[in-house]
Amino acid sequence: DAKTTQPTSMDCAEGRAANLPCNHSTISGNEYVYWYRQIHSQGPQYIIHGLKNNETNEMASLIITEDRKSSTLILPHATLRDTAVYYCIVRYNAGNNRKLIWGLGTSLAVNP
Amino acid sequence: DTEVTQTPKHLVMGMTNKKSLKCEQHMGHRAMYWYKQKAKKPPELMFVYSYEKLSINESVPSRFSPECPNSSLLNLHLHALQPEDSALYLCASSRQGGYNSPLHFGNGTRLTVT
Repeated sequence: DAKTTQPTSMDCAEGRAANLPCNHSTISGNEYVYWYRQIHSQGPQYIIHGLKNNETNEMASLIITEDRKSSTLILPHATLRDTAVYYCIVRYNAGNNRKLIWGLGTSLAVNP
Repeated sequence: DTEVTQTPKHLVMGMTNKKSLKCEQHMGHRAMYWYKQKAKKPPELMFVYSYEKLSINESVPSRFSPECPNSSLLNLHLHALQPEDSALYLCASSRQGGYNSPLHFGNGTRLTVT
């Protein structure tokens, strides 16, 4: 299984960009990278996903390196409401089934 | 607000009790999931239903019994649980199975087994 590694915790000042790294050095060519976040006392929330190209939506940008061994989730202007645990996930193809392999998550604290 | 509703929010049960967790979504999603989450850990997949049929059981003990009465509802029946089963139980849905579309999670049921 492809696995992801993430820093345990990070801090970011409100209004600044938050850059959350993820290593997935054993990822295969057809395995997607997903990001979810979990705010305290809530269920996980989908943020973004990608395969090879960089992706952007209304929540964040996802930058994937050319060799696909790592990626960075970027929250361009972090707010206090972005304080959460951010999970980097690989969608693993297991035969006829697919599985989500979750990282342990990065706890992001956005400070005023 | 989440579009996946889970009830109850909190549940305390003894090891001899029988209880059920409920999950409901009205987004027309055809895949539904049960996850278990221990403190400071990522969610762990338990069961997947696709088009109301059980498609994945991640070797979950039989004291957990899932049920999908229709495309909008998902239940998890609990019987003879152990204290180590105390956790946050999350329900999720997606437009289709195979993780081809994002999962929408409920806010979970916090279960305590005494």
